[in-house]
Amino acid sequence: KNQVEQSPQSLIILEGKNCTLQCNYTVSPFSNLRWYKQDTGRGPVSLTIMTFSENTKSNGRYTATLDADTKQSSLHITASQLSDSASYICVVSDNAGNMLTFGGGTRLMVKP
Amino acid sequence: KAGVTQTPRYLIKTRGQQVTLSCSPISGHRSVSWYQQTPGQGLQFLFEYFSETQRNKGNFPGRFSGRQFSNSRSEMNVSTLELGDSALYLCASSPSGQGVGGKLFFGSGTQLSVL
Repeated sequence: KNQVEQSPQSLIILEGKNCTLQCNYTVSPFSNLRWYKQDTGRGPVSLTIMTFSENTKSNGRYTATLDADTKQSSLHITASQLSDSASYICVVSDNAGNMLTFGGGTRLMVKP
Repeated sequence: KAGVTQTPRYLIKTRGQQVTLSCSPISGHRSVSWYQQTPGQGLQFLFEYFSETQRNKGNFPGRFSGRQFSNSRSEMNVSTLELGDSALYLCASSPSGQGVGGKLFFGSGTQLSVL
């Protein structure tokens, strides 16, 4: 069964600090892995999309890494801001691009 | 360009009723997909429409159905509502033939409460 597991479930950090969120998946065959940011009461917004051949992709202060061999991805947030407080969701697409498997998300709170 | 628009924003129904949700994709996007989000199950894929045809479907009962019109606008219908159908229903559009395999642009969702 295809699964996407995210850790931690929740995280509290101080403004200005860095943090790393983890995503492990068992989706096979694999097409791409995406990270989304979802603010409370809003729809998810795409941060990065990586195919199996990409190891790293950045979007401003967000950097995603992918290890297709170990089926692990991470999202690193640098110099966190209060506006980074949100849920971060890891999503994996199968190689036909037909099915998406979602992780349960990591709820990040950035405190001043 | 206007984003993905979902209406209504909030909806309250009672068990046994049916409900129709609407989604207007970004202009030029032909793929529209629907998702259910609950605190317990997280985000789950419902189905995807492309050029008025259902192209992919998740593991939901037949009470959940949808359609897409020639202008790419889409509707989702849930019949015989159950308490467990209470959720945030999200719609997303995609700019290419990749559908859900490509970059998705989500609306803000319709929050459905079933009493």
